[in-house]
Amino acid sequence: SYELTQPPSVSVSPGQTARITCSGDALPKQYAYWYQQKPGQAPVLVIYKDSERPSGIPERFSGSSSGTTVTLTISGVQAEDEADYYCQSADSSGTYPWVFGGGTKLTVL
Amino acid sequence: QVQLQESGPGLVKPSETLSLTCAVSGYSISSGYYWGWIRQPPGKGLEWIGSIYHSGSTYYNPSLKSRVTISVDTSKNQFSLKLSSVTAADTAVYYCARGEEGIGLDYWGQGTLVTVSS
Repeated sequence: SYELTQPPSVSVSPGQTARITCSGDALPKQYAYWYQQKPGQAPVLVIYKDSERPSGIPERFSGSSSGTTVTLTISGVQAEDEADYYCQSADSSGTYPWVFGGGTKLTVL
Repeated sequence: QVQLQESGPGLVKPSETLSLTCAVSGYSISSGYYWGWIRQPPGKGLEWIGSIYHSGSTYYNPSLKSRVTISVDTSKNQFSLKLSSVTAADTAVYYCARGEEGIGLDYWGQGTLVTVSS
């Protein structure tokens, strides 16, 4: 089956830039999506189609893609951004449309 | 405003079948989108269980495929999950969600905790 790989944790100080990566063989062919999940809450979509931001999501959240890796960037990190972040995509054939990465815990120091 | 709400037993015995329903309001399931289930064991990450397209096509996580059935009831505007032969490893918060290629999973239910225990 298809896998997406994320680092388990990323730590940054307030005001700095956090970058969270996600790697997968099919990412050049399939869109990637990013979700933020805070404790006890359902995930929230923060980036879609690799780099688009849904309405209501702060401009400090951005996404990019290069080859088999996509990156979620949070500029000017705030304490409220501390959460788990998950990438999601599909395998190359679309047989498995909702595959998640293992998640990255963002800690704001 | 689209809303999804999971319902079902919070406790299931080992070897039995877990059954959950997701009621959708604010959008007709038959109009489009994928509708699916995701679970999250305590302290762990998200795991896709399976999805059903509005046309009826189903897609299942290969690791769970032999035990999973997802179906849609358009008359009630809801979709359901059945997971058979459960064990303690199936204890998790179960979420239902709406999704589409190019859009992502844009609406989620609040999640419901299902515990497998005798």
